[in-house]
Parts: sequence; C-alpha cells; structure tokens
Amino acid sequence: GQNIDQPTEMTATEGAIVQINCTYQTSGFNGLFWYQQHAGEAPTFLSYNVLDGLEEKGRFSSFLSRSKGYSYLLLKELQMKDSASYLCAVRATSGGSYIPTFGRGTSLIVHP
Amino acid sequence: DVKVTQSSRYLVKRTGEKVFLECVQDMDHENMFWYRQDPGLGLRLIYFSYDVKMKEKGDIPEGYSVSREKKERFSLILESASTNQTSMYLCASSLEQGAGFDEQYFGPGTRLTVT
Repeated sequence: GQNIDQPTEMTATEGAIVQINCTYQTSGFNGLFWYQQHAGEAPTFLSYNVLDGLEEKGRFSSFLSRSKGYSYLLLKELQMKDSASYLCAVRATSGGSYIPTFGRGTSLIVHP
Repeated sequence: DVKVTQSSRYLVKRTGEKVFLECVQDMDHENMFWYRQDPGLGLRLIYFSYDVKMKEKGDIPEGYSVSREKKERFSLILESASTNQTSMYLCASSLEQGAGFDEQYFGPGTRLTVT
C-alpha cells in the first residue's frame, strides 16, 4: 500500500507565497500529480512530476525528490480564488496497472 | 475539452435499495475510475476499468460493483444501499494505461444520501 501525508489546512495572505508539502511512502513509484478542488466542484489537474526537480507553470510550481519521498506545490502571488483543496496523488505500479492514490488533501484559505 | 458527466448531482435513496450511478466520458479514454470522497478521508478508489468489460478492485470495493459495457460509460452499482455509503461519488477518466503522463479528468460528482 501507499502512505501519503499532507497538512490538513493552511492559511495565507493574498499576494503571498505558500508551499504545500506532500510526503509519501510507496514501492514502484511512477509519478506524482497535484490537483486543485474548489468547494463543491470536481478536482482539476495542476501538475505532474516523475523526475526529480521543479516544474513551473505560471504562478504554480511543483517539486519532486524521489529519494526523499517528498513533493511540494508552490503557489505564488496568491489570489482569493486560490482558496481550495489541493490534492497530492502518487501513482505506483500495481500488478501491471498504474493507479494513482490520493492523499487526504490540504485545504488552503487565502484571506485579504 | 474532455467532458465527464454523471447522471445525477444529488440522489436520495433508502436503505436496501439498489442504486445505479452512471458516468459518461466523451474523449475515447481507456481508463475510467470510481471514487468516493468523504471529509477527512480524501478520495478513495472503489473500482477502475482499463478497457471495455474489464474491471479491477480499488481500495474499498466492498458493497459495490461496476459495469463497463461500452468504452464511454462506466456504471457504479450499490446492490443494497446502506447508510455508510452516504458520500460524494466522483467518476474520472484518463487516456490510457501506461507509465507516461496521464492526468485524470473528473466528473462533477454525485452526492448520495442513504436514509
């Protein structure tokens, strides 16, 4: 099985930078995804890492260290609309399948 | 744009009823998934399918079954609904089985209440 850990809740100020961490323990690691989910809506894809390093996409960046079992999502220039839940999902091989397992999500509250 | 639709946004059923949740995707995706999402527990995989008529158990398959007769449609069945199956159910699809980049597209969810 997999063990994925991320903080339950974080708060930050509009315009600031926030880092959401995700740690995992798994065998057969094959990629890590970040999704954003606004209240009452479906999750939507943000980023994907399979190799070590930083992936940047506009105001959002995601980092992966496979040896440490660690990823983070970095959100810059926070906006009120960034208030949402952020889901870390780790994909691993399982009997020939490649299935992602989700962490419990981090609820981010951005205040003025 | 990929679209994943679910048959109902809200559903109320009685204990013991048979419940069908339908999911349809319009982008010819190979993989389809059913999750339930509960506060504090996150998204948990119930079943997934990587091809027509193929299904695999996820982490919490007990009390559920699935059907995939056509590529675009994946149904979740609660044979005899119980109150502990009250939850938000999310369907997702992704392009293909494999090790490469393969994001999931989610439907809007069905909030099921079993009384």
